[in-house]
Amino acid sequence: DGGITQSPKYLFRKEGQNVTLSCEQNLNHDAMYWYRQDPGQGLRLIYYSQIVNDFQKGDIAEGYSVSREKKESFPLTVTSAQKNPTAFYLCATKAAASTNEKLFFGSGTQLSVL
Amino acid sequence: AQKVTQAQTEISVVEKEDVTLDCVYETRDTTYYLFWYKQPPSGELVFLIRRNSFDEQNEISGRYSWNFQKSTSSFNFTITASQVVDSAVYFCALSVKAAGNKLTFGGGTRVLVKP
Repeated sequence: DGGITQSPKYLFRKEGQNVTLSCEQNLNHDAMYWYRQDPGQGLRLIYYSQIVNDFQKGDIAEGYSVSREKKESFPLTVTSAQKNPTAFYLCATKAAASTNEKLFFGSGTQLSVL
Repeated sequence: AQKVTQAQTEISVVEKEDVTLDCVYETRDTTYYLFWYKQPPSGELVFLIRRNSFDEQNEISGRYSWNFQKSTSSFNFTITASQVVDSAVYFCALSVKAAGNKLTFGGGTRVLVKP
């Protein structure tokens, strides 16, 4: 199947623990994005990557880290510095960051704190 | 800075009623794009439509229609003869060239269509 795969669907974090959310795509898209969605709120941009080995902070990057070692993969790590990590996390891709084409979204990961 | 406001947080209708979702945006740039996405209970956002700032022609696609008015900075979305499958959260979003074409989302409107 073509598209974006996010895993796991549900994730639980203990206090002081780092956790990593996976995002894999086979659309051959250059640009990848991570968004955070809180209940009743819109999506906020955490990090984005326009091309392999490059990434930039979004609006709420504190407490998060990313890497882009492969075109297909853009994992997000929620560090212990993120004091309020409970949220729904969405990964998205676009053919090229410089365009105004639509974003394609994964099915999301719900992160909760134990 | 860009901003998108969806004043309606939740709308509840009975099947076959029409429902209109409001979207007001703010930007100083003259080149921008507006989007609508649908988020069903599964969680994945589904693209519905994209319009650019130079094209104010309204559009109809099946039971969906969009009304873009630059004079009021609005990009409203109407579902005609709603169905239960239309129940979802709908997001309006703005992309500005000067801001690197990153999407700014509104807070979303939850639509509940009752049978």
